[in-house]
Amino acid sequence: AQKVTQAQTEISVVEKEDVTLDCVYETRDTTYYLFWYKQPPSGELVFLIRRNSFDEQNEISGRYSWNFQKSTSSFNFTITASQVVDSAVYFCALSEAGTGNQFYFGTGTSLTVIP
Amino acid sequence: EPEVTQTPSHQVTQMGQEVILRCVPISNHLYFYWYRQILGQKVEFLVSFYNNEISEKSEIFDDQFSVERPDGSNFTLKIRSTKLEDSAMYFCASSLGNTIYFGEGSWLTVV
Repeated sequence: AQKVTQAQTEISVVEKEDVTLDCVYETRDTTYYLFWYKQPPSGELVFLIRRNSFDEQNEISGRYSWNFQKSTSSFNFTITASQVVDSAVYFCALSEAGTGNQFYFGTGTSLTVIP
Repeated sequence: EPEVTQTPSHQVTQMGQEVILRCVPISNHLYFYWYRQILGQKVEFLVSFYNNEISEKSEIFDDQFSVERPDGSNFTLKIRSTKLEDSAMYFCASSLGNTIYFGEGSWLTVV
């Protein structure tokens, strides 16, 4: 069973539009961590954010914001006023405290921002 | 800012050859990982390493694979006899706690 599901395979938006990337996770652990990574065309994985399971407070960082809801097991990522440089594949990931820090990645959402 | 570095950035090898991918994790980190990403697919866990031994490995990490930390700074992934399906981007990563930082990856192409 998939521990992390990113149902949106590809999204295209026009520059300056807002876009939300969905992430649904599955775990039986009470202590876990959720992450978003960005993979630009150059291929590297860039860490964006980490949330732990005890902190449901939403976070905003510039144009990025994250909505963590344990009730729906979701950790969605919104980019406000998208820019061409936001074009990348975005991966949601889960780390469970009970599995030695192994990360489970979703299949990624490819975001294309059209100028 | 400290970062995970990997070499080579790209390697082409013939099927059946041995390959060693090298990584220098962030210096004060305690956990080390290798992940693999086949072109266009998701990032997959291979192995984690802590306290000089493998702490966890996936089904992908079969007897063809091995990891080593030979000198306290480098962390290597060896593929003994490469297959075509080993062609992928291999990411090294390290962590101190619960955030993993990835290197820029090593593209391996097996021909």
